[in-house]
Amino acid sequence: EVQLLESGGGLVQPGGSLRLSCAASGFTFNNYAMSWVRQAPGKGLECVSGISGSGRNTYYADSLKGRFTISRDNSKNTLYLQMKSLRAEDTAVYYCARYLGATTVVDYWGQGTLVTVSS
Amino acid sequence: EIVMTQSPATLSVSPGERVTLSCGASQSVSSNLAWYQQTPGQAPRLLIYDASTRATGVPARFGGSGSGTEFTLTISSLQSEDFAVYYCQQYSSWPSFGPGTKVDIK
Repeated sequence: EVQLLESGGGLVQPGGSLRLSCAASGFTFNNYAMSWVRQAPGKGLECVSGISGSGRNTYYADSLKGRFTISRDNSKNTLYLQMKSLRAEDTAVYYCARYLGATTVVDYWGQGTLVTVSS
Repeated sequence: EIVMTQSPATLSVSPGERVTLSCGASQSVSSNLAWYQQTPGQAPRLLIYDASTRATGVPARFGGSGSGTEFTLTISSLQSEDFAVYYCQQYSSWPSFGPGTKVDIK
């Protein structure tokens, strides 16, 4: 059974940093591209970042302007999202997501971790 | 950036009714269109990809159609567990989602 378990969310002050982790199990991790998708409270879905199975290729939403870094450790079956210079508008549930094949369709989602940026 | 739209924003339906949800793209996305279902407090669930292919385990009452800029999700007979928010997503370029359609009980 595919499982994606996020951790690392919490309350952080504006301008602060946070690192999210996603522990994956139930599939061959390095065979799949992965992603982080966020959802602000009561709002819709936004793809934040993606990474290829090998980790060599990374992709980001233009709106992030270099503040976030996605990475993975295939030896630990873990995906990461390093976030810095956080703003109130980054407040959201962050979902770890697995891509379907060579597409950016999400076929499996974690349960999400809440990041709250507030003073 | 491809902008996705969905209509209506909210749909009030009785169980057993047929439901049709619409999704539009600001430019052609070919058939690179997916649909997701999200119930309160839960992560989204993939229903449809490639505009009309049901994901594994998705009941046959869910159907997708369309190509280019106009797409439709049809639920042939709404069940109680189908009351949820439905999102479309294009993956022709950097993935973007529509604002969602909430299907609630009439």
